Amino acid sequence: GQSLEQPSEVTAVEGAIVQINCTYQTSGFYGLSWYQQHDGGAPTFLSYNGLDGLEETGRFSSFLSRSDSYGYLLLQELQMKDSASYFCAVSRQAGTALIFGKGTTLSVSS
Amino acid sequence: NAGVTQTPKFQVLKTGQSMTLQCAQDMNHEYMSWYRQDPGMGLRLIHYSVGAGITDQGEVPNGYNVSRSTTEDFPLRLLSAAPSQTSVYFCASRERTGELFFGEGSRLTVL
Repeated sequence: GQSLEQPSEVTAVEGAIVQINCTYQTSGFYGLSWYQQHDGGAPTFLSYNGLDGLEETGRFSSFLSRSDSYGYLLLQELQMKDSASYFCAVSRQAGTALIFGKGTTLSVSS
Repeated sequence: NAGVTQTPKFQVLKTGQSMTLQCAQDMNHEYMSWYRQDPGMGLRLIHYSVGAGITDQGEVPNGYNVSRSTTEDFPLRLLSAAPSQTSVYFCASRERTGELFFGEGSRLTVL
């Protein structure tokens, strides 16, 4: 089976930096992805890590350690519009199903 | 390109009724999948397909059927709806690897 653990809620203020952790247990591992979902909307892709290390995309970065079965999403210079749910997701092999964690609700206040 | 299109956007059913949620994508993606989303439960995989004629079960397949006769379409069938199937359903597609593209969701209520 597969399981992913991430915090259910995180709060922060505008301009701050926040890190959302994700630990996973899978029988095989191909890569870790991150998705954002605003209330009532469709999830949208943020980042992907197939190899160990940091991937940076603007204000967002994602990190993976395959040996620790651990990754995180780092959001910098937080804005109110970053208030949303964030999901980590893993796939065991290329081209197979993507399994999601339960999501982390980020609330950004002024 | 329209991306991933789901219909209907909203549906109310009575217990025991059947219905099909439609999903179509125009990106020639091999991989398509259905998820349900319930409060506090994240996105749970129902069924997925890695190509026309190939389907497989996900985490919560009971009560749902799928088929993949074309690359573009991946309908989800509820044969006998139950209140426990009240949820928001998302269809998604991607190439063999890479970004998963989601439809806007179908909100189903079973009374």
